Amino acid sequence: AQSVTQLDSQVPVFEEAPVELRCNYSSSVSVYLFWYVQYPNQGLQLLLKYLSGSTLVESINGFEAEFNKSQTSFHLRKPSVHISDTAEYFCAVRTKAAGNKLTFGGGTRVLVKP
Amino acid sequence: ETGVTQSPTHLIKTRGQQVTLRCSSQSGHNTVSWYQQALGQGPQFIFQYYREEENGRGNFPPRFSGLQFPNYSSELNVNALELDDSALYLCASSSASGRLSTGELFFGEGSRLTVL
Repeated sequence: AQSVTQLDSQVPVFEEAPVELRCNYSSSVSVYLFWYVQYPNQGLQLLLKYLSGSTLVESINGFEAEFNKSQTSFHLRKPSVHISDTAEYFCAVRTKAAGNKLTFGGGTRVLVKP
Repeated sequence: ETGVTQSPTHLIKTRGQQVTLRCSSQSGHNTVSWYQQALGQGPQFIFQYYREEENGRGNFPPRFSGLQFPNYSSELNVNALELDDSALYLCASSSASGRLSTGELFFGEGSRLTVL
């Protein structure tokens, strides 16, 4: 079975400051890794994913995450946040055979302050 | 918007009652998954439907059941409601299943169920 731990439940950050959201996972087999974002009163949207290849993946809105196999981590970073980045962020994993069964972490709520 | 629609958006039930939640998947998507998101927690996988058959299930009791229709829309049914069933129920669609799936799910905005 897989598990995902997001170490920070809330992260307050000032606008234009950098932010890092930590995600660690455990699994006995290889996994795919994802970050989803949930804006207030909306469903989840895929932010970025790691399937294979380069361990650094980027999203179109400036976020990036790095897969570190030895540390079983997939931390999410953004060098400069905007007010519109206020949302809840979920890290998720799945095994190659698991289809659409994602295992999510508990989420990190990011509050961007002006 | 993802093209995944869920109904109803909110509902209140009492303990012991039954509820049916509905989901229309994004056009062209043949796989539907259901997740339960309790307050302050991440979503938990309930089950997945592919070609009208359940083909994956999480750690939920049999009183959680579902259907998928020929047009790929889906229903989640919960019998004998308990207080702990209060949660946001999310439907997600995708265009593939199993090993073919890249895991990109398109989520609806959810149905918020309150059990009193």
